[in-house]
Amino acid sequence: ETGVTQSPTHLIKTRGQQVTLRCSSQSGHNTVSWYQQALGQGPQFIFQYYREEENGRGNFPPRFSGLQFPNYSSELNVNALELDDSALYLCASGGTSGPIRNEQYFGPGTRLTVT
Amino acid sequence: EDQVTQSPEALRLQEGESSSLNCSYTVSGLRGLFWYRQDPGKGPEFLFTLYSAGEEKEKERLKATLTKKESFLHITAPKPEDSATYLCAVQAGDTGRRALTFGSGTRLQVQP
Repeated sequence: ETGVTQSPTHLIKTRGQQVTLRCSSQSGHNTVSWYQQALGQGPQFIFQYYREEENGRGNFPPRFSGLQFPNYSSELNVNALELDDSALYLCASGGTSGPIRNEQYFGPGTRLTVT
Repeated sequence: EDQVTQSPEALRLQEGESSSLNCSYTVSGLRGLFWYRQDPGKGPEFLFTLYSAGEEKEKERLKATLTKKESFLHITAPKPEDSATYLCAVQAGDTGRRALTFGSGTRLQVQP
């Protein structure tokens, strides 16, 4: 196991609602990235945080936002949920130096269903 | 725009029947190419990182290789427990971020 944890495991929300997903990074890692994975597809990059600031964003609208805390835990917030937001949301943590500086280790994911 | 294409989409093998999975990529300055294994409903599990053409890495029955345009994941004498989706991803070296661009994966089924 990677040491990256996510909560909750599953979540069901109604269209238009807001949701917060949480991630706890692996010890020693200082970057956290969030990905969205639709069924049958590879993960898509949402954004990355480093030293509590957003450090790159993929093609996702501003209603997807995040936070990174001093203890390297992180949140993904999605406002005004749409049906297409139904997916597996993955958190990945990584380092910025040493032999693992480019590697990212994923958590188990949160399955979000929007009805 | 970085792109990753994996083939085949699905592969069914008999136990012990060796094969290879392909990952073709275009990226503006490759920082690294990554292979992950993903079981249904779970997060991707890190397997390998490759950094330069000609590099090879092995782990148990798996061996990953890299050229300037593609990577192969060779599976030797697979077992049913190797059944999973195998994901390939690239990381561009021209930005400070470490975003991964993934392919859609190859779903491998190994039958006993």
